[in-house]
Amino acid sequence: DTEVTQTPKHLVMGMTNKKSLKCEQHMGHRAMYWYKQKAKKPPELMFVYSYEKLSINESVPSRFSPECPNSSLLNLHLHALQPEDSALYLCASSLGTGLIDYSGANVLTFGAGSRLTVL
Amino acid sequence: LAKTTQPISMDSYEGQEVNITCSHNNIATNDYITWYQQFPSQGPRFIIQGYKTKVTNEVASLFIPADRKSSTLSLPRVSLSDTAVYYCLVGYNNNDMRFGAGTRLTVKP
Repeated sequence: DTEVTQTPKHLVMGMTNKKSLKCEQHMGHRAMYWYKQKAKKPPELMFVYSYEKLSINESVPSRFSPECPNSSLLNLHLHALQPEDSALYLCASSLGTGLIDYSGANVLTFGAGSRLTVL
Repeated sequence: LAKTTQPISMDSYEGQEVNITCSHNNIATNDYITWYQQFPSQGPRFIIQGYKTKVTNEVASLFIPADRKSSTLSLPRVSLSDTAVYYCLVGYNNNDMRFGAGTRLTVKP
């Protein structure tokens, strides 16, 4: 299995709703990432989990709450979002670092994304 | 963190070779250079990675000079389906996975 699977593909939610985005990989990757991408902009890093521990939080508002239940799963819990949070949310994974032979360890494999619309 | 600079956009025609250069003056000794391709409403896709000199795979070549302060992605004989945004990332560990502005390549018939 060489894929990162994201669900749902599309999500429409109101500002008072609570929803979650899910991401799954079975490649044995130990680093997982959430990115946010607005139209015609590059992906913007939000969170990084390395070996199931949160290693990077790019000053993301608390209405976004990441969770990594195990090495294969990554969730992004959404609550009280604003319309400007509407975007494509991308999950990615990489083999992870800490290896002597580094080549390829930080190559990102992305999912297809979850298109979020906040009304 | 190494910062990258790429041209915002490039135009080409089908069948031509396209070279996209990325500047990374502050590249560190351990940093690798990785290129991704992204189509609209899809996640970026890995193209090629290198550390020094030249790397070639079935879709592209990556040229890295001795000082490693820049790199050039070469796409041979592009087709309309190569129209996409191309990103250059430079880094060593999980913390370096930040994207620059990228280069929007448009291939014309």
